[in-house]
Amino acid sequence: EAQVTQNPRYLITVTGKKLTVTCSQNMNHEYMSWYRQDPGLGLRQIYYSMNVEVTDKGDVPEGYKVSRKEKRNFPLILESPSPNQTSLYFCASSLGGLVAKNIQYFGAGTRLSVL
Amino acid sequence: GENVEQHPSTLSVQEGDSAVIKCTYSDSASNYFPWYKQELGKRPQLIIDIRSNVGEKKDQRIAVTLNKTAKHFSLHITETQPEDSAVYFCAASLPSGSARQLTFGSGTQLTVLP
Repeated sequence: EAQVTQNPRYLITVTGKKLTVTCSQNMNHEYMSWYRQDPGLGLRQIYYSMNVEVTDKGDVPEGYKVSRKEKRNFPLILESPSPNQTSLYFCASSLGGLVAKNIQYFGAGTRLSVL
Repeated sequence: GENVEQHPSTLSVQEGDSAVIKCTYSDSASNYFPWYKQELGKRPQLIIDIRSNVGEKKDQRIAVTLNKTAKHFSLHITETQPEDSAVYFCAASLPSGSARQLTFGSGTQLTVLP
């Protein structure tokens, strides 16, 4: 089954404790992206990756890191989480490249609370 | 970069009535405009999309219109049902291969009242 899988689904942590949210897709998609969703602000892009070893900042990259060592995986790293990073996070992937439609497939989401 | 504005932020309609959500975009190079529906506690899912060479597209009770000159596009839902209640996001996409792809609007919470 084609899917985007992110883990964990729920996470409560404390300020400053490094954490990683994993994202994996099995559709051989080139493009992957991380979004955060906050009330009234919609989906804001944190980082995106056009392909392996190619990553770039989205609209709200501060406090986050990503890596794309393999095509299927795109982990989101919070080196020193702060309470303002409490949010709902979505990973998404799309075919990328020279395609007519950039249909994004979303993971189920990770609800993160930073105390 | 691209900027997408979406209105209204909340919309309540009576069951059976129509609902219209409007979005504007800033980059005239954008050429693909999807709409996503997010039910409570779920992930966003694509419900309909339109490309810039098309003015209107319809899929059963859902339709999308695009005005390239004015840089706005709209989602129309007819004969609304309670299961249409959700948050709807519009988005605009630059041509494939561009460094930035989808930019989302801020969302519309649609409530269909029985």
